[in-house]
Amino acid sequence: EAQVTQNPRYLITVTGKKLTVTCSQNMNHEYMSWYRQDPGLGLRQIYYSMNVEVTDKGDVPEGYKVSRKEKRNFPLILESPSPNQTSLYFCASRGMGGGTEAFFGQGTRLTVV
Amino acid sequence: AQSVTQLGSHVSVSEGALVLLRCNYSSSVPPYLFWYVQYPNQGLQLLLKYTTGATLVKGINGFEAEFKKSETSFHLTKPSAHMSDAAEYFCAVSDGNFNKFYFGSGTKLNVKP
Repeated sequence: EAQVTQNPRYLITVTGKKLTVTCSQNMNHEYMSWYRQDPGLGLRQIYYSMNVEVTDKGDVPEGYKVSRKEKRNFPLILESPSPNQTSLYFCASRGMGGGTEAFFGQGTRLTVV
Repeated sequence: AQSVTQLGSHVSVSEGALVLLRCNYSSSVPPYLFWYVQYPNQGLQLLLKYTTGATLVKGINGFEAEFKKSETSFHLTKPSAHMSDAAEYFCAVSDGNFNKFYFGSGTKLNVKP
């Protein structure tokens, strides 16, 4: 079954404690991205990657890091989380071409206290 | 840059009534257009998409949308609402630059018995 898998689904952490949210896709997609969803703001792109070792900033990259060492994995790293990073995070993947749809993970609800 | 406007952050309809969710976009090039649905505690699921060809696009669960270039719109409709349609709906546009989707801020659909 084609899917994007994120872990964990829920995470509560304290300010400043480094964390990683994992994302894996089994569709051999080149393109992967991370979004955060906040009420009234829709989805905003954090980082994206067009292939292995190729990453770039999205609209709201501050406070986040990513890496793409393998095609299937695209982890999101918060080196020093702060309360304003409390949000719902989604990983997505898609194939090449503007008309291809994005496939989304189930989401990770992060709370930073 | 692209932008997507969804009129109405909340829409309420009675079961059996017409559903109309509005989406307008700005694009300097022919766009690719998408509607996604998000059920509570789940990721985003593709409802339908327009790439080329017929401007009336049919999707899953009885939804359809019509691409109107002159109005830069891609409104989502369903003739008869069902309780299970209660969810948040997102319109998105891709301009063929495959690194990015531009999402609207979402419309929450409430279906009353």
